[in-house]
Amino acid sequence: EDKVVQSPLSLVVHEGDTVTLNCSYEVTNFRSLLWYKQEKKAPTFLFMLTSSGIEKKSGRLSSILDKKELFSILNITATQTGDSAVYLCAVTSGTYKYIFGTGTRLKVLA
Amino acid sequence: NAGVMQNPRHLVRRRGQEARLRCSPMKGHSHVYWYRQLPEEGLKFMVYLQKENIIDESGMPKERFSAEFPKEGPSILRIQQVVRGDSAAYFCASSPPGQKHSGNTIYFGEGSWLTVV
Repeated sequence: EDKVVQSPLSLVVHEGDTVTLNCSYEVTNFRSLLWYKQEKKAPTFLFMLTSSGIEKKSGRLSSILDKKELFSILNITATQTGDSAVYLCAVTSGTYKYIFGTGTRLKVLA
Repeated sequence: NAGVMQNPRHLVRRRGQEARLRCSPMKGHSHVYWYRQLPEEGLKFMVYLQKENIIDESGMPKERFSAEFPKEGPSILRIQQVVRGDSAAYFCASSPPGQKHSGNTIYFGEGSWLTVV
């Protein structure tokens, strides 16, 4: 059965810290891996990764995919309170279905 | 350009009642997807619809749940005889026609939170 596992489940850090969120997957016919940020409303798209070893970067956020070891990481540097959210990882398997992990709940303290 | 619009945002139903959740896709989008998010869980695919067609409902419970996307008007997710376990956030997403389904072309609405008491 296809599955996506995220770790840690939750994380509390202080402003300025750097965090690394993990996402591992088992899926047939892998197509792409996506990261979303969810703040009690619509998940907002962060990154889509399809190739191994190519870092995607947006401001303080970056992500990379390892298709051999079947995982991805999302890094957030110099965290701010506005980064507090649930970060969702999802994998598509060549169809329109996204398989989501349960998310990592990040809380950044001032 | 308005995003994916869902209503109601919050809905409270007693056990045994019906819940109707509506979703208007983004302008120009003809593909609609419904996902359910149970408390402390990730989003789970329920159903994929195009105008007047259900393409894939493999993630939707066989009983009490139905979905439609008529030629005119919003997509509707209908839950009959609700039970406490139906309490969840129901997210609608849409994408434009003729494009591969990929992360940067699917847009989520803000969700409808159903509480069954």
